[in-house]
Amino acid sequence: DAKTTQPTSMDCAEGRAANLPCNHSTISGNEYVYWYRQIHSQGPQYIIHGLKNNETNEMASLIITEDRKSSTLILPHATLRDTAVYYCIVSMNYGGSQGNLIFGKGTKLSVKP
Amino acid sequence: GAGVSQTPSNKVTEKGKYVELRCDPISGHTALYWYRQSLGQGPEFLIYFQGTGAADDSGLPNDRFFAVRPEGSVSTLKIQRTERGDSAVYLCASSLWGGSATEAFFGQGTRLTVV
Repeated sequence: DAKTTQPTSMDCAEGRAANLPCNHSTISGNEYVYWYRQIHSQGPQYIIHGLKNNETNEMASLIITEDRKSSTLILPHATLRDTAVYYCIVSMNYGGSQGNLIFGKGTKLSVKP
Repeated sequence: GAGVSQTPSNKVTEKGKYVELRCDPISGHTALYWYRQSLGQGPEFLIYFQGTGAADDSGLPNDRFFAVRPEGSVSTLKIQRTERGDSAVYLCASSLWGGSATEAFFGQGTRLTVV
């Protein structure tokens, strides 16, 4: 079973920030938080990952709480192309490879004009 | 090509037949993963290869499913005596071993329909 809990769906207005929450209260010290998204009829796409510190890249920011029991993915200026299912995953990082990623059902984000 | 390639993109087979699904990972990626995805569900882990060996095959549902990666590059997922419940999109992903390279790249998947 997935070790994360996410809302089933969310809406966001185009141009606004999309904040997607994830609970992972049973995360262990050596597990990372990964975010992937899946646009309709495509394979999942990596977004970002982190361990303890907040992370930012060209796609998104990842905010991890100090106790690491929850995190938030932030898309700063959502566009219609960001409409997708977003998956939050916790997994150990074996020497640089991700091992098996266990996907839950994710959050279906709908960006509306 | 630059990405993960899966062939065929679509496969229709009759119940009881044998099928093979192929995955060409990104060149140089030593880790390779197989998932399957049913409608409305997230991808379900099947098996993970590190090089030629299966590092984790705990997700294979039963002994009708088997996967190989003989030269540490291309992988084939094999399904014997297919059942209608095997109908799904089968996804392959690869990632680079070592360092900070932890991004897994997914292919577009093979849609398997068992009739």
